[in-house]
Amino acid sequence: GAGVSQTPSNKVTEKGKYVELRCDPISGHTALYWYRQSLGQGPEFLIYFQGTGAADDSGLPNDRFFAVRPEGSVSTLKIQRTERGDSAVYLCASSQGGGPNYSGNTIYFGEGSWLTVV
Amino acid sequence: GDSVTQMEGPVTLSEEAFLTINCTYTATGYPSLFWYVQYPGEGLQLLLKATKADDKGSNKGFEATYRKETTSFHLEKGSVQVSDSAVYFCALRDYGGSQGNLIFGKGTKLSVKP
Repeated sequence: GAGVSQTPSNKVTEKGKYVELRCDPISGHTALYWYRQSLGQGPEFLIYFQGTGAADDSGLPNDRFFAVRPEGSVSTLKIQRTERGDSAVYLCASSQGGGPNYSGNTIYFGEGSWLTVV
Repeated sequence: GDSVTQMEGPVTLSEEAFLTINCTYTATGYPSLFWYVQYPGEGLQLLLKATKADDKGSNKGFEATYRKETTSFHLEKGSVQVSDSAVYFCALRDYGGSQGNLIFGKGTKLSVKP
């Protein structure tokens, strides 16, 4: 597609439920990133994929958070046993091959999935 | 670790006023520096970037110069418009430190009044 697409745009869930957030990157982009943006804060890195593999998952806050990218394109961020503190905008981004260590790659962001845990 | 500090908002200006949003950084490697903008209801967009010291990034009338001696990347625009109202994020990518992932400041909300 023309840009990074994220679904759903808004999700309200009850505490303790399981949530999946989907990201469809720009066609041909091999690098994919997930960030989380809490109210009044800048985005915080969660995980980075190069192709199908998670090259860096150091930003995932705990083992309730997991992400996959089985075919090297679409990615799903999965949150188990959601807590109210998980409420935030979850941003997906992508860039061309070479990943974050290639200075020429611009990272393009989607509009985000706004998660509210009640 | 790597970090970005930018001036807190909100900033309210009249149309055609001069804008400065301060940004300073701490990095262990040789970062590239960025300004991203988030317009109401839209996703983050790259506004401008600079990849090495003394580079000047510019776009849409906005400018920022990479100052290694002061570890700064202040955003400026000579004459703001109502359409510039948005949240502005300063960010860095440190290829020697944080594995090249974007590190963002907290954002500065700009409101421009007609």
